[in-house]
Amino acid sequence: SAVISQKPSRDICQRGTSLTIQCQVDSQVTMMFWYRQQPGQSLTLIATANQGSEATYESGFVIDKFPISRPNLTFSTLTVSNMSPEDSSIYLCSVGGLAGVKGEQYFGPGTRLTVT
Amino acid sequence: QKEVEQDPGPLSVPEGAIVSLNCTYSNSAFQYFMWYRQYSRKGPELLMYTYSSGNKEDGRFTAQVDKSSKYISLFIRDSQPSDSATYLCASTPGGGNKLTFGTGTQLKVEL
Repeated sequence: SAVISQKPSRDICQRGTSLTIQCQVDSQVTMMFWYRQQPGQSLTLIATANQGSEATYESGFVIDKFPISRPNLTFSTLTVSNMSPEDSSIYLCSVGGLAGVKGEQYFGPGTRLTVT
Repeated sequence: QKEVEQDPGPLSVPEGAIVSLNCTYSNSAFQYFMWYRQYSRKGPELLMYTYSSGNKEDGRFTAQVDKSSKYISLFIRDSQPSDSATYLCASTPGGGNKLTFGTGTQLKVEL
């Protein structure tokens, strides 16, 4: 497994502003993912953060709104840009590929975002 | 139709009860099936992992997959108040690591 930390743990932001969320892992990992978890809804994959190249976004998510960086194998950031109240959610990073088991992922504690 | 369907609950049971949590899925390509447990204000943690059809047991927990009916189950024996959490099922095809999650079932085990 891996120990994953996220900063900030929570924030309240004004609409129209941007927030950058950091994800730090205690070991090098090949795969890092960013999810959104809205109340009453399933975890939704935003994108796969690729080290040294552009992130791979899922349908419905675009780079202009959710720019992602991954400068090395232990760190990634997700920015929520030009926020609106609809962006209020929990944002989670996860890592995978640790034991070569398909689909096995470990999650950070999440960032709880409220947009007013 | 969502690829993975799960009854959101809440489900409330007395301590010591046997709990049955269930999901259905629609994507025939799914080969790997997981159960995650999420405590309030925490990230999900991997609880059980199953490949293809069959049963897998780990202590008080049993995961069951029936690919013919596209049905995933998690059984908890001798449930404890510490089992109170949201349980999420998830699946992925054999070729990749992208997970598709159910909405989660909120479980409360009462004294």
